[in-house]
Amino acid sequence: AQSVTQLGSHVSVSEGALVLLRCNYSSSVPPYLFWYVQYPNQGLQLLLKYTSAATLVKGINGFEAEFKKSETSFHLTKPSAHMSDAAEYFCAVSGRTDKLIFGTGTRLQVFP
Amino acid sequence: GAGVSQTPSNKVTEKGKYVELRCDPISGHTALYWYRQSLGQGPEFLIYFQGTGAADDSGLPNDRFFAVRPEGSVSTLKIQRTERGDSAVYLCASSLTTAETQYFGPGTRLLVL
Repeated sequence: AQSVTQLGSHVSVSEGALVLLRCNYSSSVPPYLFWYVQYPNQGLQLLLKYTSAATLVKGINGFEAEFKKSETSFHLTKPSAHMSDAAEYFCAVSGRTDKLIFGTGTRLQVFP
Repeated sequence: GAGVSQTPSNKVTEKGKYVELRCDPISGHTALYWYRQSLGQGPEFLIYFQGTGAADDSGLPNDRFFAVRPEGSVSTLKIQRTERGDSAVYLCASSLTTAETQYFGPGTRLLVL
């Protein structure tokens, strides 16, 4: 069985501050891990994915995430937040079956 | 190129009615997925197709839900005897093959009154 836990349903940061969105996973098989972003009234867009290659994964819009097996974590970071980063962020895991198991999401607010 | 499209974008129906939701995947994508996103929740897997066949339908909540993909391209999600609890955004995604990145459509917002 696989699952994802996102700690913090809401995160608020100031523009220019570090963004840290937390994700912990559970998987009985080597996982594939993903971060998706959802802007209001838009579909989910892939930010980045981990598929057992490099543990530090760089994505679009300056985001990156690090796979830490010992901590079963895949936290999303960005050094400096922009107003345009305000959105809902979802962590997801998949295994051999390829269906995505999503977390409940974290809403990021960015204040000027 | 064109992304995944879903129609209608919004659907309002009455309890007990039948509805069909359509998904047009990216051209050439052989895998197609349906998810359901309730308010304040992450998307939940419903079913996925590899080609014309349903490879995994373990997420369908009950036998009122059914999906088809007769020619391996467009898919239709069918819901019989709708209930208020079926109200959600229904998302479709496609990928080149399984194990490739899934690209999502904008969703169909279903409201059952």
